[in-house]
Amino acid sequence: NAGVTQTPKFRVLKTGQSMTLLCAQDMNHEYMYWYRQDPGMGLRLIHYSVGEGTTAKGEVPDGYNVSRLKKQNFLLGLESAAPSQTSVYFCASSYADRFYEQYFGPGTRLTVT
Amino acid sequence: AQKVTQAQTEISVVEKEDVTLDCVYETRDTTYYLFWYKQPPSGELVFLIRRNSFDEQNEISGRYSWNFQKSTSSFNFTITASQVVDSAVYFCALRKNDMRFGAGTRLTVKP
Repeated sequence: NAGVTQTPKFRVLKTGQSMTLLCAQDMNHEYMYWYRQDPGMGLRLIHYSVGEGTTAKGEVPDGYNVSRLKKQNFLLGLESAAPSQTSVYFCASSYADRFYEQYFGPGTRLTVT
Repeated sequence: AQKVTQAQTEISVVEKEDVTLDCVYETRDTTYYLFWYKQPPSGELVFLIRRNSFDEQNEISGRYSWNFQKSTSSFNFTITASQVVDSAVYFCALRKNDMRFGAGTRLTVKP
């Protein structure tokens, strides 16, 4: 049982480049989430999904897109990276009836220069 | 609007001291959930506890205890007899429709 895994662990992008972060969970969780963590800001929810094929905006969705084509995967895309998107990105998942107990991945550290 | 404030940015204690991490929240909703998560140096967040807005009973789990007071909109976390392994960043969070986290409190427990 790997839990929640994230790929890649580190990435450096130049302004304007695009990339996709992959989150995978093997716990058959219905809900999945993408957060970003910035110093002094805590974690902020970017997008989330309550099921395969569905996504919804969180607190800071601008500049990101997501897709949930398979229940176990949740992709976060940056179409045109900006320095303001330098952050640590965390994916999480949970059961629908225990949404409060989220399991987090190890994080992806992204730097945009 | 929902907001969580953790006024203590960093706390440093010596092992075996008791320490309380403060959390104050704002919400207009009457039904909501409160949480505490721990983020050890490894980086992954670990769920510690949740409370719903109708349950103001304090909870104790080993050396950890939580004090939920709706009258002051606070959900404070106390670690009794702290240990070096308690060193981490602790986040308080509030959830109605989505999760709002506080900025976190970095706790350092020195031997």
